[in-house]
Amino acid sequence: QKEVEQDPGPLSVPEGAIVSLNCTYSNSAFQYFMWYRQYSRKGPELLMYTYSSGNKEDGRFTAQVDKSSKYISLFIRDSQPSDSATYLCAMSSNTGKLIFGQGTTLQVKP
Amino acid sequence: DVKVTQSSRYLVKRTGEKVFLECVQDMDHENMFWYRQDPGLGLRLIYFSYDVKMKEKGDIPEGYSVSREKKERFSLILESASTNQTSMYLCASSLNRVEQFFGPGTRLTVL
Repeated sequence: QKEVEQDPGPLSVPEGAIVSLNCTYSNSAFQYFMWYRQYSRKGPELLMYTYSSGNKEDGRFTAQVDKSSKYISLFIRDSQPSDSATYLCAMSSNTGKLIFGQGTTLQVKP
Repeated sequence: DVKVTQSSRYLVKRTGEKVFLECVQDMDHENMFWYRQDPGLGLRLIYFSYDVKMKEKGDIPEGYSVSREKKERFSLILESASTNQTSMYLCASSLNRVEQFFGPGTRLTVL
């Protein structure tokens, strides 16, 4: 079993939809949770960073961490075609070693 | 803004060649990382360095070595390139090891 599981998709939604992206994990030592966005042929770009449980909001993006269920989510409100990308979850314990999910490919259709 | 640059965007090499991939960051970060990214496998850590001349193996170090002679520069070396090292190589840097900032990647093809 992988330490971090992420459905690779692809996920296709119409413009304006609310998008929910999710990851599950097995290692209860994870304390740091990140979401990266990766456009085609580019490096990953850090989108959201959360420490421990709870929610964090940044514009149209909301990250949620539920440590009791070992489940993290990224919500995108009012999705735009420019949000079309691969979204990678990543997490870490205090070792600083990041474990990445496979990434979910999202397409937002105009 | 953190800037991480990689020496080449695309590289084509022959089996058996020695390959150097260079990474430079401009934010005085102690920590630097090399990953490879493959479809269906995600990002896998090859090596990382937490200080000049210091290095630690990641999950898949076999066939690779690294060099960090200056704080801002971290090099990945393929001693004898093989076709199974065809991949996207990503460099990252971090102040705290957790928030990692990535370069644009080098797509390496080994023929």
